[in-house]
Amino acid sequence: GDSVTQMEGPVTLSEEAFLTINCTYTATGYPSLFWYVQYPGEGLQLLLKATKADDKGSNKGFEATYRKETTSFHLEKGSVQVSDSAVYFCALSDRNQGGKLIFGQGTELSVKP
Amino acid sequence: KAGVTQTPRYLIKTRGQQVTLSCSPISGHRSVSWYQQTPGQGLQFLFEYFSETQRNKGNFPGRFSGRQFSNSRSEMNVSTLELGDSALYLCASVGTGGIETQYFGPGTRLLVL
Repeated sequence: GDSVTQMEGPVTLSEEAFLTINCTYTATGYPSLFWYVQYPGEGLQLLLKATKADDKGSNKGFEATYRKETTSFHLEKGSVQVSDSAVYFCALSDRNQGGKLIFGQGTELSVKP
Repeated sequence: KAGVTQTPRYLIKTRGQQVTLSCSPISGHRSVSWYQQTPGQGLQFLFEYFSETQRNKGNFPGRFSGRQFSNSRSEMNVSTLELGDSALYLCASVGTGGIETQYFGPGTRLLVL
């Protein structure tokens, strides 16, 4: 079945460092890909999305490009801030599966001043 | 516009009991999905309801059930609780724009003793 694999955390960075969180997927169809963020004590927030190959999703300085040839959707940010500390989830949805999302295991990011 | 509301936010039950969780979607959203989040298994899809009908179901035992009312509010029920059911239960409502317009609630944290 479809699956998502993320790099393990926790990831600890200093403020203004470059961030990469790797995400690869396995899917039989043509999924849409997402990154969600979960701040402590809160639910999930959609960070960015891409619906087809070579699409680039971006939001709040974060970017990710849908790479079909490498089945990847890595999350990047050029300069992280303390306020970016959270857990990040990569996810996919199959267009034939309605509202069902398949999530990666999550990567905890801690940014130190 | 009010967000997704989940009640209660916290719950403590003992093994063998049953529990009902409630989710009120964003006004105008007709689809509601439920997810279970645990440290060991991560985020897993439980089921999805659209217009009072279950449209999709994850791989959970029959002890987990749900329903949706005509006002789109949804409930999920877990019978004969087990220790492993301790988790954060997240509800998400989906707008007419599809899964890209999915918004999550803050979750109900269930502790089974």
